[in-house]
Amino acid sequence: NAGVTQTPKFRVLKTGQSMTLLCAQDMNHEYMYWYRQDPGMGLRLIHYSVGEGTTAKGEVPDGYNVSRLKKQNFLLGLESAAPSQTSVYFCASSYEPSRGTQYFGPGTRLLVL
Amino acid sequence: GENVEQHPSTLSVQEGDSAVIKCTYSDSASNYFPWYKQELGKGSQLIIDIRSNVGEKKDQRIAVTLNKTAKHFSLHITETQPEDSAVYFCAASKGAEAGGTSYGKLTFGQGTILTVHP
Repeated sequence: NAGVTQTPKFRVLKTGQSMTLLCAQDMNHEYMYWYRQDPGMGLRLIHYSVGEGTTAKGEVPDGYNVSRLKKQNFLLGLESAAPSQTSVYFCASSYEPSRGTQYFGPGTRLLVL
Repeated sequence: GENVEQHPSTLSVQEGDSAVIKCTYSDSASNYFPWYKQELGKGSQLIIDIRSNVGEKKDQRIAVTLNKTAKHFSLHITETQPEDSAVYFCAASKGAEAGGTSYGKLTFGQGTILTVHP
């Protein structure tokens, strides 16, 4: 049982390049989330999904797109990376959102030059 | 929307001392308050949580207290050890029982860097 995994662990992009971050969970969780973490700002929700085939905007969705084609995977895409998107990205999943417990992946560190 | 403020931003203690981290929240409808520990290079791990129908919860050296009236909650770590050194985040959310459709969305505090010196 690997829990929540993220790939890649680290990536450097040039402004304008695109990339996709992959999050996978093997806990059969319905709910999945993408956060970004910046110094002094805690974690901020980018997008989330309440089930396969569904996505919704979070607190800071601009510049990102997501897809949940399979229940176990939640993809975060950057179509045209900007330096402001330099951050650490965390994926999380949850079985019962009313309980609030979320399980986090190890993070992806992204640097946009 | 919900706003969570966390203090202090850094906390340095000697091994064996106690550490206290405080958070305040703005939305009185929030009813679930977890605490996460993030070690260097790792994702956040839930260490303890509390619901609005409980005033205090304890798990070995870790305890959390909640004051609904004042809208603040605190993490208490006793007999600190060097392995407690990490970044700690508080969070708040409204569960389904609050009548909302928050889907478990958590609003996080800014984080506290705890350093425990041997």
